Amino acid sequence: QQPVQSPQAVILREGEDAVINCSSSKALYSVHWYRQKHGEAPVFLMILLKGGEQKGHEKISASFNEKKQQSSLYLTASQLSYSGTYFCGSTGTSYGKLTFGQGTILTVHP
Amino acid sequence: GAVVSQHPSWVICKSGTSVKIECRSLDFQATTMFWYRQFPKQSLMLMATSNEGSKATYEQGVEKDKFLINHASLTLSTLTVTSAHPEDSSFYICSARDRTGKEEKLFFGSGTQLSVL
Repeated sequence: QQPVQSPQAVILREGEDAVINCSSSKALYSVHWYRQKHGEAPVFLMILLKGGEQKGHEKISASFNEKKQQSSLYLTASQLSYSGTYFCGSTGTSYGKLTFGQGTILTVHP
Repeated sequence: GAVVSQHPSWVICKSGTSVKIECRSLDFQATTMFWYRQFPKQSLMLMATSNEGSKATYEQGVEKDKFLINHASLTLSTLTVTSAHPEDSSFYICSARDRTGKEEKLFFGSGTQLSVL
């Protein structure tokens, strides 16, 4: 089942913050976050496996709620290089297939 | 970290021809690989799960006779688009896990842009 991402698109000025959400109607085994630039392969950002988990560093971090049905990606003090399409992917089981959300287009302007 | 190599990066072919895309895990053994397709400005859609030594598992709506998958060794999976048509033009990308390293993370190839004329 495909996770649902929101918002569809975000436009920021350099230095501003953004939050991208990823949700599912069923509990997930894991959530993976990727960023993709046009014409390139997705670049891995992080993976969350435990309910209530938060990880990442101060500029890009993510959380996974206790019920493991919702994850959020936090982008702080955005930089121009943060522009791209962000995808969350989810698995339902250990080593299961990864299904992606529809993506969130993030554009950072100077 | 684990590396997945995909080849070719770009292919242009005539309608009706077949195209083979290779996906190799360079420094780990991958019993399972995944093939995705991505149309412009859309998400990555899982096409099939490639299992070493057995038949691939296809997602609903993906024609198995159209997209032939072979996973003959622990480091190589191939996707053949048979009798390609313009509507098959897309970005195809493979991925794999290093299960010996107990990685849940998927490692992606660099993708193949297929253009069918």
